[in-house]
Amino acid sequence: DIQMTQSPSTLSTSVGDRVTITCRASQSISSWLAWYQQKPGKAPKLLIYKASSLQSGVPSRFSGSGSGTEFTLIISSLHPDDFATYYCQQYNSYSWTFGQGTKVEIK
Amino acid sequence: EVQLVESGGYLVQPGGSLRLSCAASGFIFSSYEMNWVRQAPGKGLDWVSYISSSGSTKYYADSVRGRFIISRDNAKNSLYLQMDSLRVEDTAVYYCAAGWRHFEYWGQGTLVTVSS
Repeated sequence: DIQMTQSPSTLSTSVGDRVTITCRASQSISSWLAWYQQKPGKAPKLLIYKASSLQSGVPSRFSGSGSGTEFTLIISSLHPDDFATYYCQQYNSYSWTFGQGTKVEIK
Repeated sequence: EVQLVESGGYLVQPGGSLRLSCAASGFIFSSYEMNWVRQAPGKGLDWVSYISSSGSTKYYADSVRGRFIISRDNAKNSLYLQMDSLRVEDTAVYYCAAGWRHFEYWGQGTLVTVSS
């Protein structure tokens, strides 16, 4: 199975900061990488799919990049509503795996 | 408005069975692949099972293969998960999620607790 490793696990940051979260796959997954935001007690919300495509309705301050084994989620300027946990997710040959999550918290 | 509403979560003893349901509305259910994804308390997300739009193709995580069965009824816009031989480690919130390579729509989840 393909393993997904996110870093960092926790990010202490402030409103207005630029945030970068990295996800590494244990083998190449082409561009089949998605990013989700999850708030406590809520379902995950799709932000980015196919590594860099912005889901409809998601603010443009969110962006994704990468291919192969290295991927990045960037929040260009953190809003108060962005404090949450973020997960990457890969797809490969009818197998799906999530990263362990990155909690973005208030410094 | 897209809605996925899970139900059927309950407290069950180890070795017991449960059947989860997911009612879909607001999108063409029969055109979407569907999945179950679970989240143990305080933990991350784990994909559980996939079913194709027609229901003819199914896949399972190693941890549930042979114990869980996914199915769907496109006439009723509904997805199901039959869970047998439940273990303590199956305790989690179970989400239904629509999509193939990524999960576009999610339900609010239903809690399954396996405990004696």
